[in-house]
Amino acid sequence: KAGVTQTPRYLIKTRGQQVTLSCSPISGHRSVSWYQQTPGQGLQFLFEYFSETQRNKGNFPGRFSGRQFSNSRSEMNVSTLELGDSALYLCASSLVTGSGANVLTFGAGSRLTVL
Amino acid sequence: SQKIEQNSEALNIQEGKTATLTCNYTNYSPAYLQWYRQDPGRGPVFLLLIRENEKEKRKERLKVTFDTTLKQSLFHITASQPADSATYLCALHSSNTGKLIFGQGTTLQVKP
Repeated sequence: KAGVTQTPRYLIKTRGQQVTLSCSPISGHRSVSWYQQTPGQGLQFLFEYFSETQRNKGNFPGRFSGRQFSNSRSEMNVSTLELGDSALYLCASSLVTGSGANVLTFGAGSRLTVL
Repeated sequence: SQKIEQNSEALNIQEGKTATLTCNYTNYSPAYLQWYRQDPGRGPVFLLLIRENEKEKRKERLKVTFDTTLKQSLFHITASQPADSATYLCALHSSNTGKLIFGQGTTLQVKP
């Protein structure tokens, strides 16, 4: 079955612009999580959506937002881009087990460069 | 504050040896802990999950231990191969927040 698909894979923006990243989860997975990965900070949790509702949120400013659609596809948006937003943005979907364990399947990521 | 610590320095070992990676945590009460592998330019891939009431888990050449008293997990790769070279990440599920939080990862280099 198809894995987690993220688009676009690479993009370059300038400071002040905004960007929207898309994630299509594995079919049947209802939970989608987003992470930001940078060399200095590692993988930082952004937010998690389940059945169109934000279930959890990390410690990022309000410029970072997301949403999930009824088909479980998710988007994240970053407004007023800053140089420090340059990172690999990873989306992961999961099928929460009956015992509550949340095993993530990641996409290949969207590499954002802010100039 | 809550912390997850993995060796930031790369681990270099010879092919055939056992690689041991460490994950320490503070101020967490994880219900379970996971290990992922990440290759350059790709997303992390799930390897193993171990629950708080389990001491050890094995999968082929991989073994994970979980000591909730020491607040530490060890990840072992036996008979290591150059193809095992990658960055390995541990992740904790926080019972308090429900979030899955990752460590910074340790890069393993297996030399032939």
